Amino acid sequence: NAGVTQTPKFQVLKTGQSMTLQCAQDMNHEYMSWYRQDPGMGLRLIHYSVGAGITDQGEVPNGYNVSRSTTEDFPLRLLSAAPSQTSVYFCASSYGYRDPRNTIYFGEGSWLTVV
Amino acid sequence: ELKVEQNPLFLSMQEGKNYTIYCNYSTTSDRLYWYRQDPGKSLESLFVLLSNGAVKQEGRLMASLDTKARLSTLHITAAVHDLSATYFCAVDPNFGNEKLTFGTGTRLTIIP
Repeated sequence: NAGVTQTPKFQVLKTGQSMTLQCAQDMNHEYMSWYRQDPGMGLRLIHYSVGAGITDQGEVPNGYNVSRSTTEDFPLRLLSAAPSQTSVYFCASSYGYRDPRNTIYFGEGSWLTVV
Repeated sequence: ELKVEQNPLFLSMQEGKNYTIYCNYSTTSDRLYWYRQDPGKSLESLFVLLSNGAVKQEGRLMASLDTKARLSTLHITAAVHDLSATYFCAVDPNFGNEKLTFGTGTRLTIIP
C-alpha cells in the first residue's frame, strides 16, 4: 500500500514550458485534489475531483488543467509555466463522506521552480 | 468566501509550558481538521472534529470545536521540543466534499 504517490519530487522549469505533475493513489479513493503551498502560507485548492470523469475548480485554478480518466490517477498540467507558479504542490485523496473517520491523505509534495 | 484565520502566526514557548492556538472561520462548517507540518515535509493529520463541542486528545495535544462561535482551539500541554512544527487548521464548509480551506498556519518553536 503506497498511499498517495507524487512525481516528480523536484522540478525546475523555464517560463513558458509545460509539464505534468503526477499523482496516484492505491486506496480506491473517489476524492482527489491538488493544492499549492506558497512560503508562509497554508495550502490553497487548485482543482478537485469526486470520481473518474468529474473535476471541479478550486480557489486558484488559472494556469492549471486536470483530468481524471481513472480512479487511481489525477495528473495536474501546467500549460505555460510562469514564475508565479513556483510553489510546493500537494496531492490529496480520501473516501469522502463514506469514511466515518474522514481521513484525508496527502502526498509527499512536489517542489516546482519556474525560472 | 470562506476565510480561516489562525493566531498566533508565530509562537515561541519554553518546554513544560501550556499554550493554545486559535482557529477562527467565517462561515458555517461541518468539519474542521488540524494538521502538523515539519519543514520540507508533507502534512500529518492530527485531528478531525465533526460536531459542535467535539473534543479530541492525543498525547500533549487537545483540539476542540465550537461551531456556534466558529472557533477551534489546539491546546498544547507541557510542551516538549518534539512538538516544534507548523500547525494548520482547515475547514470543510460543505459536508463530505472535502474541499479544504486552510489557515495560514502557526509556526511553533519549543525552546529547551
